[in-house]
Amino acid sequence: GIQVEQSPPDLILQEGANSTLRCNFSDSVNNLQWFHQNPWGQLINLFYIPSGTKQNGRLSATTVATERYSLLYISSSQTTDSGVYFCAVGLVGGGKLIFGQGTELSVKP
Amino acid sequence: GAVVSQHPSRVICKSGTSVKIECRSLDFQATTMFWYRQFPKKSLMLMATSNEGSKATYEQGVEKDKFLINHASLTLSTLTVTSAHPEDSSFYICSASPSGRASYNEQFFGPGTRLTVL
Repeated sequence: GIQVEQSPPDLILQEGANSTLRCNFSDSVNNLQWFHQNPWGQLINLFYIPSGTKQNGRLSATTVATERYSLLYISSSQTTDSGVYFCAVGLVGGGKLIFGQGTELSVKP
Repeated sequence: GAVVSQHPSRVICKSGTSVKIECRSLDFQATTMFWYRQFPKKSLMLMATSNEGSKATYEQGVEKDKFLINHASLTLSTLTVTSAHPEDSSFYICSASPSGRASYNEQFFGPGTRLTVL
C-alpha cells in the first residue's frame, strides 16, 4: 500500500522562529490534506492541497505531486501552534485518507 | 461551514456492554463518512468507510461484527462497539466529505469520542 512519511517526527522551536514540515508519499494521489491536532484531539483542517501552493496567514503549503511530496511552512511560530501536525493523502480512485505518523511541534515562549 | 459533531465526547463503560457513537454532519450532506481509531501518541488508523444506504466497507483486520456501522441518512453515521473489552479503549474519530463541492473528497473531522472500557 501507499507509504506516507512525515519529517521530522519531533520539533522544538523558540517562539518567533520559522519551520518547514515535510510529507513524502509513495504513489499518485488525488487528495492531500494538512491537519493540526489540538491538545483535545480535534483535527483542524489547515489545507486541502493535492497540488500547487496555498497560503493562510502565517501558514503556507506546497505540494509537488509529480515528485510526491508536500511541505507545510509555519512562520513566526506562536505557542498556540504547538501540537501534532498530520499529513494525509487520498489515492486516485478512492475516497479514504491515509495518514502519516505526524510531526509533534512544541513552541517555547 | 463543514462542521462535524460527535456524541458522546467521552464514555466509560463496563466490559461486555455495547456503546454507540454518533457522527453528524451539521451543515452539509455526506454520502460517505469515515471512522478512525487513534491510540495515544499514534497516528489515525482508518477502520471503515460508511456509505449512506449501503453496507460499510471495513479495513483489513477490523472486525465488522464487533464494530457495527450504520449510515441511515445523509447526515448521520453511527459506530457501535459491541461487547466492549478493555483493549477497545481508544479515541474514535469520524470524518465526512461534503457532497457537491469542488474539493469533493476533502474530509472534515469530528471532535472525537474517548472510550474507556473498565
